[in-house]
Amino acid sequence: GENVEQHPSTLSVQEGDSAVIKCTYSDSASNYFPWYKQELGKRPQLIIDIRSNVGEKKDQRIAVTLNKTAKHFSLHITETQPEDSAVYFCAAMDPRTYKYIFGTGTRLKVLA
Amino acid sequence: KAGVTQTPRYLIKTRGQQVTLSCSPISGHRSVSWYQQTPGQGLQFLFEYFSETQRNKGNFPGRFSGRQFSNSRSEMNVSTLELGDSALYLCASSEMGNTEAFFGQGTRLTVV
Repeated sequence: GENVEQHPSTLSVQEGDSAVIKCTYSDSASNYFPWYKQELGKRPQLIIDIRSNVGEKKDQRIAVTLNKTAKHFSLHITETQPEDSAVYFCAAMDPRTYKYIFGTGTRLKVLA
Repeated sequence: KAGVTQTPRYLIKTRGQQVTLSCSPISGHRSVSWYQQTPGQGLQFLFEYFSETQRNKGNFPGRFSGRQFSNSRSEMNVSTLELGDSALYLCASSEMGNTEAFFGQGTRLTVV
């Protein structure tokens, strides 16, 4: 069945360093890949997304890359700050079913 | 524009009871999806509704059901509650189902 694998499950970085979170999806029909940030006790919030006709998208310190051939996509956060500490989820959407499959999340800790 | 609103925020129920959760999407959004979030399983897709029709369903037992009204508000019902149903239930709305999805704050259900 459809599956999204996300790595690593936890990630600690020093403030100012970069963080990279990687996801792999199984369904080649997936064409929309959002990333969500969930702070403790709060709702997941969309931080960036990418569609399958684009290889890279950037928004200030956040970027997402997509390799359709390998079915990989990654989140890159540069110049990390303590407020970046949260759980990050990747997801892949199948346009045939409107079903989002989420990765299992990455707990990012930015150490001051 | 008001965000996605879920009610109630917290619920405590006894095993065997049933529960109904409500989700009001962002104005103009016609797609509503429901997810179960648990520490061990991450975000699991329950079902998605668009214009009062269920377009897809996840791998949950028939005790989990939902519906959507003509104003796009959606309800989720869980019958014969089990201890394992304790979780955060999140709904997300989007314009068409294949565009950006925005989450509500969730309903935390505890079954005792």
